Amino acid sequence: GAGVSQSPSNKVTEKGKDVELRCDPISGHTALYWYRQSLGQGLEFLIYFQGNSAPDKSGLPSDRFSAERTGGSVSTLTIQRTQQEDSAVYLCASSLKAREPGGRGTDTQYFGPGTRLTVL
Amino acid sequence: GNSVTQMEGPVTLSEEAFLTINCTYTATGYPSLFWYVQYPGEGLQLLLKATKADDKGSNKGFEATYRKETTSFHLEKGSVQVSDSAVYFCALCVIGKLIFGQGTELSVKP
Repeated sequence: GAGVSQSPSNKVTEKGKDVELRCDPISGHTALYWYRQSLGQGLEFLIYFQGNSAPDKSGLPSDRFSAERTGGSVSTLTIQRTQQEDSAVYLCASSLKAREPGGRGTDTQYFGPGTRLTVL
Repeated sequence: GNSVTQMEGPVTLSEEAFLTINCTYTATGYPSLFWYVQYPGEGLQLLLKATKADDKGSNKGFEATYRKETTSFHLEKGSVQVSDSAVYFCALCVIGKLIFGQGTELSVKP
């Protein structure tokens, strides 16, 4: 079946502009995750959704970053007033159900191809 | 807190050599453990996983055993191929999110 898809694959923007990145999870997956991969910081967790709720937003680096998910499917990550340090590859992943305290749920996350963001 | 430490790279091996990439973790609770691989120009792919102590994950000739007593999940392969050249990431999952190690770049020469 279809995997996780992300758009755009590449985005070049000017400092100070807002950008929106989109993620379409695997059909039937209720959990959706955003990560960032950059040379200096490696792979960092940003936020995850179980359904339309975001139980953990602890990885969002500043209040310029926000994400939403509607209809339990597509998610959008928005970065306002972009800065050069926001340049990175933004990865989305999905799983059947996020792991909960006590170990219930599914851990295995499947990743999309990423969106490469370059802020000039 | 939760963290993962991986052997630093890059690692360069000749074809058919034995591979070990060390991974140790610190976790509150009882994590699941993963190895992901990123081939040049491609996205992250799950390589193998283990969900409880003494479980062995295996795929494509790679293996890793969940060792709770040493908090380790070392990746091994008996005979590497040029096509195994990639960056390998060890990760743990406790609740929701994955926490990754810094990645180890493997280069296999013919």
